[in-house]
Amino acid sequence: AQSVTQLGSHVSVSEGALVLLRCNYSSSVPPYLFWYVQYPNQGLQLLLKYTSAATLVKGINGFEAEFKKSETSFHLTKPSAHMSDAAEYFCVVSDTREYGNKLVFGAGTILRVKS
Amino acid sequence: AAGVIQSPRHLIKEKRETATLKCYPIPRHDTVYWYQQGPGQDPQFLISFYEKMQSDKGSIPDRFSAQQFSDYHSELNMSSLELGDSALYFCASSPEGDSYEQYFGPGTRLTVT
Repeated sequence: AQSVTQLGSHVSVSEGALVLLRCNYSSSVPPYLFWYVQYPNQGLQLLLKYTSAATLVKGINGFEAEFKKSETSFHLTKPSAHMSDAAEYFCVVSDTREYGNKLVFGAGTILRVKS
Repeated sequence: AAGVIQSPRHLIKEKRETATLKCYPIPRHDTVYWYQQGPGQDPQFLISFYEKMQSDKGSIPDRFSAQQFSDYHSELNMSSLELGDSALYFCASSPEGDSYEQYFGPGTRLTVT
């Protein structure tokens, strides 16, 4: 079964600093990987996805992630943090099944941005 | 662009009552998924439907049932509610041929007192 591990339940950065949220996956098949963001009391928004095309994936709001098969990693980065980036981020793997691929979520990382 | 619609957005029930959550997928999306997110938890997959047939089942209690109707909307029925059922329930949908990307609704917050 597919799974993801997010390293660090809380990450704190200063405004303007690099954001790095770590994610490692475990998958018996080539994975489809995603990063979702959840703002307080809101739903889940897709930031970006990896579906076996380019290994460097660019998403919304200046975020990007790189798929590294050798490291089984899919870390999320953003060069310069904004206050509005404060949210919870989930690394997600698709459980590849026919007719409906359930998503398996990591435990989430809460990003705090300090002014 | 149209998004996934969930109703109600908030629901308060007492223990042992029943609740029905509704989900209206994005037009032309034929697959619907239900997830449960407990307080401070990550979302957990409950059940999914493809073309009105159950396609996968996760950690859904026997007290819960769901179905997808001919217009592709889905309902999650929850009976004998327990305090532990208090959570945010998300519905997601995906289009035919691209079931790897799921579009989430805003969620229904269920509080059981």
